[in-house]
Amino acid sequence: AQKITQTQPGMFVQEKEAVTLDCTYDTSDPSYGLFWYKQPSSGEMIFLIYQGSYDQQNATEGRYSLNFQKARKSANLVISASQLGDSAMYFCAMREALGNAGNMLTFGGGTRLMVKP
Amino acid sequence: DSGVTQTPKHLITATGQRVTLRCSPRSGDLSVYWYQQSLDQGLQFLIQYYNGEERAKGNILERFSAQQFPDLHSELNLSSLELGDSALYFCASSVEGGVRTDTQYFGPGTRLTVL
Repeated sequence: AQKITQTQPGMFVQEKEAVTLDCTYDTSDPSYGLFWYKQPSSGEMIFLIYQGSYDQQNATEGRYSLNFQKARKSANLVISASQLGDSAMYFCAMREALGNAGNMLTFGGGTRLMVKP
Repeated sequence: DSGVTQTPKHLITATGQRVTLRCSPRSGDLSVYWYQQSLDQGLQFLIQYYNGEERAKGNILERFSAQQFPDLHSELNLSSLELGDSALYFCASSVEGGVRTDTQYFGPGTRLTVL
């Protein structure tokens, strides 16, 4: 079963406006971490923001904020004041603990964001 | 720049061949992860090493192997290559690897094309 779901394959946003990228997750582990990464057309994966399952407040990093609704198991990324350079693929990921103190990230399918001038 | 380096950036080879991808983690990071990104499978975790020892294994084929050396750099070896192995291979690193707040920082990736 898919553990991270991003339902928006592609989105457009007008420059300078805010946009929300959706992410829902599924886990039975009470301790987990949620991450958002940006992948521009050049291919690298850039870490944007992190939210821990026990964090009381929503995470913010500059123009990025995470709308964390634990009961709904959603962790939506909000980008304020969109810029042309925000055009990229965005991936939601969940850190899962594995045996032997290992861990891995499970990624959603991604959302392609296109910012219109 | 994440501080994680990967070489080579691009690799083109033929079916049946063997290749080695190299990764140097960020300074101070002890844990290294390998991921494969392909069009049909998306981003998939392959394997994790921590301070030279294997910590976790994901969907890694038996034809693939990895190791982490004493200087903490890691190599991913892919053998008997098939067309379906064509993908972008990422290395990521983190400080500890066992803490839920530990953030993985990704390298620029190695794009492998198998002809």
